[in-house]
Amino acid sequence: GEDVEQSLFLSVREGDSSVINCTYTDSSSTYLYWYKQEPGAGLQLLTYIFSNMDMKQDQRLTVLLNKKDKHLSLRIADTQTGDSAIYFCAESIGGTSYGKLTFGQGTILTVHP
Amino acid sequence: DAGVTQSPTHLIKTRGQHVTLRCSPISGHKSVSWYQQVLGQGPQFIFQYYEKEERGRGNFPDRFSARQFPNYSSELNVNALLLGDSALYLCASRRTPTVLAFFGQGTRLTVV
Repeated sequence: GEDVEQSLFLSVREGDSSVINCTYTDSSSTYLYWYKQEPGAGLQLLTYIFSNMDMKQDQRLTVLLNKKDKHLSLRIADTQTGDSAIYFCAESIGGTSYGKLTFGQGTILTVHP
Repeated sequence: DAGVTQSPTHLIKTRGQHVTLRCSPISGHKSVSWYQQVLGQGPQFIFQYYEKEERGRGNFPDRFSARQFPNYSSELNVNALLLGDSALYLCASRRTPTVLAFFGQGTRLTVV
């Protein structure tokens, strides 16, 4: 089955690191994504990881993937007030699902000055 | 290169009416998917099209339909609108169905 779960809220102080967690259930995931959504806007692709990777680093962003536990995390280093937004993890399933994306419910990140 | 463009950005419709939403994918991308995002939730998959053929359908009623044109742009149609259809409708563009997905800014539909 397909289900993606995230914690709903995260509050951090400016300059600290933020860690957003996500669990998924479908072991046939091909890509796992992190998207950012600001109020009233669409989804901005932040980063992604192939299902055969353990870690990916992209500037302030680090993605960790634990396939055994089906756990994905996004670490934002030196979090800024501009990082305040909703963050969605999503899995892309190949095969007969043809790349359909299944999203979590989103984590609201609030960054305090 | 232009990103994914959706039109209109906002619209208000009355219950029972019909609506057509439009999406133009990134140049060179042949796959378009549609998602519905109700306030406070994550996006839900509606349809995926690739090379003008439907490749996937989510758990939505038959009032929802879509098509993809020879230039790979797409339309989402919703008939007999209900209040519960009020949502942000997002279009995703991909070169092929299983690679990176890029989203447009969405169409905010309000049904009154």
